[in-house]
Amino acid sequence: EVQLVESGGGLVKPGGSLRLSCAASGFTFSNAWMSWVRQAPGKGLEWVGRIKSKTDGGTTDYAAPVKGRFTISRDDSKNTLYLQMNSLKTEDTAVYYCTTDLDEIYYYYMDVWGKGTTVTVSS
Amino acid sequence: SSELTQDPAVSVALGQTVRITCQGDSLRSYYASWYQQKPGQAPVLVIYGKNNRPSGIPDRFSGSSSGNTASLTITGAQAEDEADYYCNSRDSSGNHHVVFGGGTKLTVL
Repeated sequence: EVQLVESGGGLVKPGGSLRLSCAASGFTFSNAWMSWVRQAPGKGLEWVGRIKSKTDGGTTDYAAPVKGRFTISRDDSKNTLYLQMNSLKTEDTAVYYCTTDLDEIYYYYMDVWGKGTTVTVSS
Repeated sequence: SSELTQDPAVSVALGQTVRITCQGDSLRSYYASWYQQKPGQAPVLVIYGKNNRPSGIPDRFSGSSSGNTASLTITGAQAEDEADYYCNSRDSSGNHHVVFGGGTKLTVL
């Protein structure tokens, strides 16, 4: 069964740091492009960023609100995706989902989603 | 532009057909994908590409596109289709980013 399981969420003070993990199973993780998507309470989905597979360069892209503060990485030996979040702001409060990324010539989609982990930034 | 625009809310009578739309410049170059999200649950992919359904998605869900507008059509809406629906595509500005629409709350009456 293809599965993504996020962990690492919690309560953190503004300015603090947190690292989220996403454990993948049921597919060849090393070949997958992966994204993080977040959803603030009562709001819509927001793309956070993505990492390509190492064979495709392993490069990362980030949404403007998190660029310079968040870092996405992967450990293919552990089938795990990470999101390092620094300098956290109250507006980063959200449920964070990891997803698989399929980026084709004329279309893009997120095939598999985890159940999410909740991050609350509050003093 | 990197934005995708959706109507905030749409309603449909049980068993009738409903179309949910998504507008944006990026849709002139890329097909939208569509996600269904029920309260307290993660989103689920329902349509991708020109009109492709993942395994397990009922065939009452279909997708189409014209110009800068993508549409998700539910033919014969069921009570369990009541949910939030989001469109998504690659940003066409060349920055390799991804964009989501603001979401449409579908109510089945």
